[in-house]
Amino acid sequence: EVQLVESGGGLVQPGGSLRLSCATSGFTFSDPYMDWVRQAPGKGLEWVGRARNRANSYTTEYATSVKGRFTISRDDSRNSLYLQMNSLKTEDTAVYYCARGPYCTNGVCSQGRSFEFWGRGALVTVSS
Amino acid sequence: DIQLTQSPSFLSASIGDRVTITCRASQGISSFLAWYQQKPGKAPKLLIYSASTLQSGVPSRFSGSGSGTEFSLTISRLQPEDFGAYYCQQVNSYPITFGGGTKVEVK
Repeated sequence: EVQLVESGGGLVQPGGSLRLSCATSGFTFSDPYMDWVRQAPGKGLEWVGRARNRANSYTTEYATSVKGRFTISRDDSRNSLYLQMNSLKTEDTAVYYCARGPYCTNGVCSQGRSFEFWGRGALVTVSS
Repeated sequence: DIQLTQSPSFLSASIGDRVTITCRASQGISSFLAWYQQKPGKAPKLLIYSASTLQSGVPSRFSGSGSGTEFSLTISRLQPEDFGAYYCQQVNSYPITFGGGTKVEVK
């Protein structure tokens, strides 16, 4: 059974930092791309960013709203994905979801590049 | 960035009704579009990918169509468990974007 479990959420002051983790099981973590998606209270979904796999040099992509402040990394030996959030703003308050992205080889990706599995989310509140 | 515009933003329908949600992209995205269902307090669930491919385990009353800039999600016969929010997502180019969502209420 595929499982993704986020942790590390909490209350942080504006300008502060927080690191989220996503522990996974039930699949070979090193193979697929991995993504973070967030949802502000009462709002829609917003993609945060992606970490590609080793075959694609672990390169990353980010949403414009978080570029330069957030860093995504992965540790294949620990089957875990991370989101380092710096210079946090009140508008970063959201539930942060970890999602399993597609399996991509030579530019061809599975599942139409969609996100098949999601974690339950971790709440991050940025407030003074 | 590619903008996705969903309509309607809210709909209320009766059990057994045929329901259609549309998603319009600000530029062509081929068939790189997915649909998700989200219930309150839960993570999104993948329904459709590649615009029209039904995800394994999803009831056949759900279907998707479209390509380029115009897409739709149809529920052929609305069931009580179909309440919730529905989101389209484009995965054609970065940044990946979602539509604003459609909240479906079952009368």
